[in-house]
Amino acid sequence: GENVEQHPSTLSVQEGDSAVIKCTYSDSASNYFPWYKQELGKRPQLIIDIRSNVGEKKDQRIAVTLNKTAKHFSLHITETQPEDSAVYFCAARWDSNYQLIWGAGTKLIIKP
Amino acid sequence: DGGITQSPKYLFRKEGQNVTLSCEQNLNHDAMYWYRQDPGQGLRLIYYSQIVNDFQKGDIAEGYSVSREKKESFPLTVTSAQKNPTAFYLCASSLGFVGGGLYNEQFFGPGTRLTVL
Repeated sequence: GENVEQHPSTLSVQEGDSAVIKCTYSDSASNYFPWYKQELGKRPQLIIDIRSNVGEKKDQRIAVTLNKTAKHFSLHITETQPEDSAVYFCAARWDSNYQLIWGAGTKLIIKP
Repeated sequence: DGGITQSPKYLFRKEGQNVTLSCEQNLNHDAMYWYRQDPGQGLRLIYYSQIVNDFQKGDIAEGYSVSREKKESFPLTVTSAQKNPTAFYLCASSLGFVGGGLYNEQFFGPGTRLTVL
């Protein structure tokens, strides 16, 4: 069945450095790839998404890149700050299906 | 915060009991979802509903049941048939296909933490 793999499971970076989280998906028909952030004890919230007709999308310090050939997409956070500490989830969706298939999550730790 | 609420926040259940988790939204969303979140496993879909009076099984529907009698409400019942129900349950909603289709953001409720004693 459809699957989304997310790596790493834990990522620790120095404040101010960049962080990159990668996801691979199995279904080549997938066409929508959102990223959600879940702070400790809070609900997941969408931070950025990308559709399959776009290779890259940026929003301030956050960017997402998509490689359809390799079937992977990545979240890039630059100039990391303490408030970036959270669990990040990637997901994928394909045509005619309203389900999202989720990655297992990455716990991002920002070291002061 | 997002217009979607869940109750209760914490729920304790004895083995063999059914319990119902509430999910209400005032966002006028057509689609609603129930997820189970376990440590290290991401979000797994239990049931989803695209429109009132219709719902579909997700990946882990066994031992759960839902109803969608009103657009605003999508309660989840955890039955005694669910062998390992202790988990964090998240409800979400989105515009669904009526609102533009596949690219709609899912808004999450605050979650219910269920513990079986």
